[in-house]
Amino acid sequence: KQEVTQIPAALSVPEGENLVLNCSFTDSAIYNLQWFRQDPGKGLTSLLLIQSSQREQTSGRLNASLDKSSGRSTLYIAASQPGDSATYLCAVKTNSGNTPLVFGKGTRLSVIA
Amino acid sequence: GAVVSQHPSWVICKSGTSVKIECRSLDFQATTMFWYRQFPKQSLMLMATSNEGSKATYEQGVEKDKFLINHASLTLSTLTVTSAHPEDSSFYICSARWRVEETQYFGPGTRLLVL
Repeated sequence: KQEVTQIPAALSVPEGENLVLNCSFTDSAIYNLQWFRQDPGKGLTSLLLIQSSQREQTSGRLNASLDKSSGRSTLYIAASQPGDSATYLCAVKTNSGNTPLVFGKGTRLSVIA
Repeated sequence: GAVVSQHPSWVICKSGTSVKIECRSLDFQATTMFWYRQFPKQSLMLMATSNEGSKATYEQGVEKDKFLINHASLTLSTLTVTSAHPEDSSFYICSARWRVEETQYFGPGTRLLVL
């Protein structure tokens, strides 16, 4: 059964700092991996989707990498801003048919002005 | 991107009553819908997977007689929490997908508080 782990569970950084969020998964036979943002009490906002054949995806100040063989992904946030404060969730879809996304527990990020 | 709506966005009910949550795919046909539950400061936990026209598949530990899921059309799935108890208070999020190869699109969630 696929398990997704995110480290750290919480992170507090000063504004302007570059940071890395980590995600690992136990079953490397994934179809894709997705990073989401969730603000308190709100739904999910999709940030980046990486297909299993891709190594990375970029959107603005965000860059996500995927190393399928080692079961790892990182989300890099450049020049962090207070508005980046949220919980970041990593989720993977395994290859086996009509399976849902499996989520990690998330990393709660606080960017301090 | 595709849009998934949920209704209501929040609901407060008395213990023992039943609550129905609707999930709609607004601009695509959702052959598969997923229902997740999220407790405070926890991640999303899958409750069940439903394919249009067939019975839902529930995850281990989720009572199918308590959480009734209906996916009668390609654009609508409902989750009914029967005889709700305070421990059912949670954030319920639905997700829809057209094909296996496509990404899942998420609704905005429904916050349920059972008094």
